Amino acid sequence: LAKTTQPPSMEAYEGQEVNVSCSHTNIATSEYIYWYRQVPHQGPQFIIQGYKDYVVNEVASLFISADRKLSTLSLPWVSLRDAAVYYCIVTPRAGGYKVVFGSGTRLLVSP
Amino acid sequence: ETAVFQTPNYHVTQVGNEVSFNCKQTLGHDTMYWYKQDSKKLLKIMFSYNNKQLIVNETVPRRFSPQSSDKAHLNLRIKSVEPEDSAVYLCASSPGTGGAYEQYFGPGTRLTVL
Repeated sequence: LAKTTQPPSMEAYEGQEVNVSCSHTNIATSEYIYWYRQVPHQGPQFIIQGYKDYVVNEVASLFISADRKLSTLSLPWVSLRDAAVYYCIVTPRAGGYKVVFGSGTRLLVSP
Repeated sequence: ETAVFQTPNYHVTQVGNEVSFNCKQTLGHDTMYWYKQDSKKLLKIMFSYNNKQLIVNETVPRRFSPQSSDKAHLNLRIKSVEPEDSAVYLCASSPGTGGAYEQYFGPGTRLTVL
């Protein structure tokens, strides 16, 4: 399973757009990219997943580089509720049950 | 309400005791998981169950054992707890039978071993 590298922390003000990067230099062709976030006293929550190019949903957008070695989670107009630890995970979509969470990126949001 | 439910929220016990944590999902998923989140907030998968069959068993101590009565329930039993077992135990489920689809997590059970 490909290992991921994320910045340990980021800071933003409410209303800003935040981009959280994730490096996965040895990602395999069978692996997909998943993003989760975890707020205190709750379990991780799925945000978005993608394989290549650009994916968008009602919560966030995900840009994946052409070589798939870098992905960026974009959160538009962050609020205090978006303060959380954001995890980037790469794992096979089929045939794999082992999901490895790294240390994530802690996003601090100030008013 | 469809979600992943865990009980208890907290549990404090002494070294050597047996504990059991419950997990139920009402999402109709086929696969369930147990994770351990330590004091450094690192999440490590312990077990996953698919159709009542253990399909991933990481190198966890033998005192840990998952127990499932049906695909909606996956409990975790710790036979004789040790101080290093203090952590948050998270249960999760996912749709599909053959892959790492998105997982839905419960709120966790915080175990403190004195």
